Amino acid sequence: EAGVAQSPRYKIIEKRQSVAFWCNPISGHATLYWYQQILGQGPKLLIQFQNNGVVDDSQLPKDRFSAERLKGVDSTLKIQPAKLEDSAVYLCASSLKAGGGIRPKFFGPGTRLTVL
Amino acid sequence: GNSVTQMEGPVTLSEEAFLTINCTYTATGYPSLFWYVQYPGEGLQLLLKATKADDKGSNKGFEATYRKETTSFHLEKGSVQVSDSAVYFCALSDPNYDKIIFGKGTRLHILP
Repeated sequence: EAGVAQSPRYKIIEKRQSVAFWCNPISGHATLYWYQQILGQGPKLLIQFQNNGVVDDSQLPKDRFSAERLKGVDSTLKIQPAKLEDSAVYLCASSLKAGGGIRPKFFGPGTRLTVL
Repeated sequence: GNSVTQMEGPVTLSEEAFLTINCTYTATGYPSLFWYVQYPGEGLQLLLKATKADDKGSNKGFEATYRKETTSFHLEKGSVQVSDSAVYFCALSDPNYDKIIFGKGTRLHILP
């Protein structure tokens, strides 16, 4: 079974530039998550989708971050404009469906973003 | 609010040594508890979980027991291998929500 795919794996940009990350979840997984993992910290949930609807985006900095999952399958996360503090690994995860917090979540390898 | 505190790393051990990585939590209600592992260059993987007090999660020789009285979920392994070198994250999830809160992670180095 193919895992969660993410691209690119690495990205270096200058501050105030824009950047986009792509995620393709495991086939059939209705729930998709984007996490931000700053160096030395644990992953922090940015946004959760159930199919193509947003379930939780309470920690997404909406003035600069946006995400979409138009067809309920793959998803993109965009940052515009980027700040130095956005340097982090952006993780995508998916699960069959939400509920109870104990359903297995499968994580992708992440995209490492460096903002100069 | 809910939070997870785990021991600072890096932790360096020799092969076959006994491992303990401490984890304590603060939560309202009755959270589920997890250990995730991140091997070099790979994504996070669920290592083990426990969903109620006194449950013991186990996998690949690792164990952790949900201790409600001490709000702890320490990770243990009797004899570590070089292949166990990774970053380990303790995490919790409120059963009414789907949000997982992670600790900062503990990097483990096993020397041959």
